[in-house]
Amino acid sequence: AQKVTQAQTEISVVEKEDVTLDCVYETRDTTYYLFWYKQPPSGELVFLIRRNSFDEQNEISGRYSWNFQKSTSSFNFTITASQVVDSAVYFCALEGTGGFKTIFGAGTRLFVKA
Amino acid sequence: DTGVSQDPRHKITKRGQNVTFRCDPISEHNRLYWYRQTLGQGPEFLTYFQNEAQLEKSRLLSDRFSAERPKGSFSTLEIQRTEQGDSAMYLCASSPLDGLGANVLTFGAGSRLTVL
Repeated sequence: AQKVTQAQTEISVVEKEDVTLDCVYETRDTTYYLFWYKQPPSGELVFLIRRNSFDEQNEISGRYSWNFQKSTSSFNFTITASQVVDSAVYFCALEGTGGFKTIFGAGTRLFVKA
Repeated sequence: DTGVSQDPRHKITKRGQNVTFRCDPISEHNRLYWYRQTLGQGPEFLTYFQNEAQLEKSRLLSDRFSAERPKGSFSTLEIQRTEQGDSAMYLCASSPLDGLGANVLTFGAGSRLTVL
């Protein structure tokens, strides 16, 4: 069975703080893909990043960075110098071999206060 | 291209009525998905089409639910004899056939169903 766990339900930070959103996944597939999506208050989910299971390099995109560690089955997401516009629900997701069903975690709601 | 369009955005119905949602995917995308999202939860997979073929249905999809994608373009999701437990946001997403083997989903804004 495949599962994605986002243990943090809500996080509240003050603008300019760094924040890390945790994601732990379970799968028996050797080939799989991990994703992060953002759901702003307007409601539409937006793709942020995709990683495959063979690429454990960390990735940085502007203020966003992702840390993928197969040893701990984690794919954590860090926002550096958070801004109010980062306020949203963030979902971690997993797609296994056979690849059409994406499994989402329950999401972490991030509040960034000015 | 305006992205994935869903209609209606909101639907309020009485228990026992039938409802139908429509999704227009991005035209170049041949994969189309329906997900359901309830409050405080992530999207749950319902069904998937590749072109006009429905290749997978979740066990969440009872026999009151049916989805179609005639001619591989738009899709409809029908719920018959609605129940209060069907109240949720119904999300449509599409993706291209990606040589990298993973589906980057483009979501619509969703159709919110409230069953009274």
